Amino acid sequence: DAKTTQPTSMDCAEGRAANLPCNHSTISGNEYVYWYRQIHSQGPQYIIHGLKNNETNEMASLIITEDRKSSTLILPHATLRDTAVYYCIVRVDRNRDDKIIFGKGTRLHILP
Amino acid sequence: KAGVTQTPRYLIKTRGQQVTLSCSPISGHRSVSWYQQTPGQGLQFLFEYFSETQRNKGNFPGRFSGRQFSNSRSEMNVSTLELGDSALYLCASSPTGGFAKNIQYFGAGTRLSVL
Repeated sequence: DAKTTQPTSMDCAEGRAANLPCNHSTISGNEYVYWYRQIHSQGPQYIIHGLKNNETNEMASLIITEDRKSSTLILPHATLRDTAVYYCIVRVDRNRDDKIIFGKGTRLHILP
Repeated sequence: KAGVTQTPRYLIKTRGQQVTLSCSPISGHRSVSWYQQTPGQGLQFLFEYFSETQRNKGNFPGRFSGRQFSNSRSEMNVSTLELGDSALYLCASSPTGGFAKNIQYFGAGTRLSVL
C-alpha cells in the first residue's frame, strides 16, 4: 500500500495558488518526500523533493511540517497547464531494497 | 540532453502473443525502472535495473521480465499476453548519485492494447 494519503481531487482558480496536501504519518527519519505530476497521456514529471526543510524551485514550493507527518505542495500561480494528477511519494535511499509506490494521487483542476 | 525514449509508442497484440518494449535512458543514467499504469490499479512498479542487474522487483508474475544492456538501454518482455495486460508501460531513468539520485525521469510510455 502507498505510504501517503492525498485528496482525490481539488479545484483551483487560474492565477491563484494551488495548495496540495499530503499525509505521510508513518514516514521514517530517512525517507524523503517526492512530488510528481502526470499530465494526461504523458509520463510523470518530477516536481520537487525534500527531507525536512522547506524547498523551492522554479516550479513549486514544498512545505514539510516540523513532525514530518504531512506536507503541502504549492503552485504559486496556477495556470491551465497545471491541470494534472499530482503524486506524493516517500522513499529512502534508492540503493536499498526499496520499491517506489505511487498512490492514486490528487487530480487538480485549474478553472479559468 | 535528450529525454527518456520509449519505443514503440503504441502497440496492438492478441492474447497469447509476446511483446518486447524498449527504453533508452537519459545519457549517463544507469538506473532504469519500469512501471505499468492502468485505470484500475494506477501506477505499479514492475522492476528496476542498474548496471545490467535487476536491483528491485514488484509483485508481477514471471510473464513479465526485463533486461538491461551495457549501454544502459533496457527492454521489458511480456509473454503469453492476457487482456489484463493492456496498459500504459512507463520507463524511468535516474542519475547514479548525488542529491538527485532518487529523481526519476519518465518517458512518454508505450500504450499496449491486447485484443
